[in-house]
Amino acid sequence: KAGVTQTPRYLIKTRGQQVTLSCSPISGHRSVSWYQQTPGQGLQFLFEYFSETQRNKGNFPGRFSGRQFSNSRSEMNVSTLELGDSALYLCASSWRTSGDEQFFGPGTRLTVL
Amino acid sequence: AQTVTQSQPEMSVQEAETVTLSCTYDTSESNYYLFWYKQPPSRQMILVIRQEAYKQQNATENRFSVNFQKAAKSFSLKISDSQLGDTAMYFCAFDGNTNAGKSTFGDGTTLTVKP
Repeated sequence: KAGVTQTPRYLIKTRGQQVTLSCSPISGHRSVSWYQQTPGQGLQFLFEYFSETQRNKGNFPGRFSGRQFSNSRSEMNVSTLELGDSALYLCASSWRTSGDEQFFGPGTRLTVL
Repeated sequence: AQTVTQSQPEMSVQEAETVTLSCTYDTSESNYYLFWYKQPPSRQMILVIRQEAYKQQNATENRFSVNFQKAAKSFSLKISDSQLGDTAMYFCAFDGNTNAGKSTFGDGTTLTVKP
């Protein structure tokens, strides 16, 4: 069974631009979560989608948004990029919304110049 | 809100020896799940071990075991017979049943296994 895939793997943008990251979960998984990983802040929860509905959202500004499609694939968008948005963005999928092992993708490394 | 604390930013251990990574958490929930994830250098995060709070028996997976102390809200990971491939960042994570968010992760412990 294929693992979680994320595209692109690397991205360089400039301040003020917007970016869209994509995540394809493991087949059959309906929960997709996004995390921001930085050396200083660790792993911060962004949001979770389950069956195309945003179930939870972390403490991030409205510039961070996401969606999930009927095939469970998910995208996250960051508008008006800031230098502080430079991070590794991880996507994880699981069967349920709580209690299950999360399967992580390799991440998208975003650099904002 | 739940918090997860890993008080050891970095640790090292000699190959074949045993090491214990600490994790404490704070929650008002009675039923929840705890995890240890491993993130090797430049590789994907993978699950090491999972514990259900209502189960008193400590989870084990081969060389990995946990010491789950529910009253103390402590969830430490013991790695026996450490191997070079165990070198990684280890994250402790909490997963509750509320709508407060998905898993809450600790800041991680970087473990280096020395030959």
